[in-house]
Amino acid sequence: DAGVIQSPRHEVTEMGQEVTLRCKPISGHNSLFWYRQTMMRGLELLIYFNNNVPIDDSGMPEDRFSAKMPNASFSTLKIQPSEPRDSAVYFCASSSTGQRDGYTFGSGTRLTVV
Amino acid sequence: AQSVTQLDSHVSVSEGTPVLLRCNYSSSYSPSLFWYVQHPNKGLQLLLKYTSAATLVKGINGFEAEFKKSETSFHLTKPSAHMSDAAEYFCVVSGRNYGGSQGNLIFGKGTKLSVKP
Repeated sequence: DAGVIQSPRHEVTEMGQEVTLRCKPISGHNSLFWYRQTMMRGLELLIYFNNNVPIDDSGMPEDRFSAKMPNASFSTLKIQPSEPRDSAVYFCASSSTGQRDGYTFGSGTRLTVV
Repeated sequence: AQSVTQLDSHVSVSEGTPVLLRCNYSSSYSPSLFWYVQHPNKGLQLLLKYTSAATLVKGINGFEAEFKKSETSFHLTKPSAHMSDAAEYFCVVSGRNYGGSQGNLIFGKGTKLSVKP
């Protein structure tokens, strides 16, 4: 199993541009989570999906952030327009049994907005 | 509500000496508890988990943790530190459920472990 696959690994973009982060969960996992990690705030849950349906998006910071999961094998996190304060590492994680067994995390996307 | 507190933001040990990373949790029901490790510029890796079975849980790389309900603690230990253990460690508690849906994990702020030669 290739694990949770995120792309790109690094992204540098200019303020105001649209950024799309991608995630492929582990096959058979039915829950998918997007986290953001910064020095100041640590790990924050942005949104999670269960069976492709968004369950809790209360962690999404602003309307500039949106996430989709069109099918069980793919999810995107979009920021439009991007701002320097969005610079962070964004992690995707997936799980087959929810919180009782923990999650498998991807390697993350390091986003820098200049 | 569930929460987790990691009592030390930074722990420094010498190679070959024991490691203790402290974690206290708060939960309104029987929680699942986890420790994750993050090496520099890497993703998070599950180290071990407690899900209401044995209270002493063994994980990878010689780490273990003991669930103590009376103390609401889930401290991570290792008898002898290795240089490769230098990383950030996160204590995690299971979040609330949404009916039959799956909830989320709540992460502590992390403890950075340094290992001196």
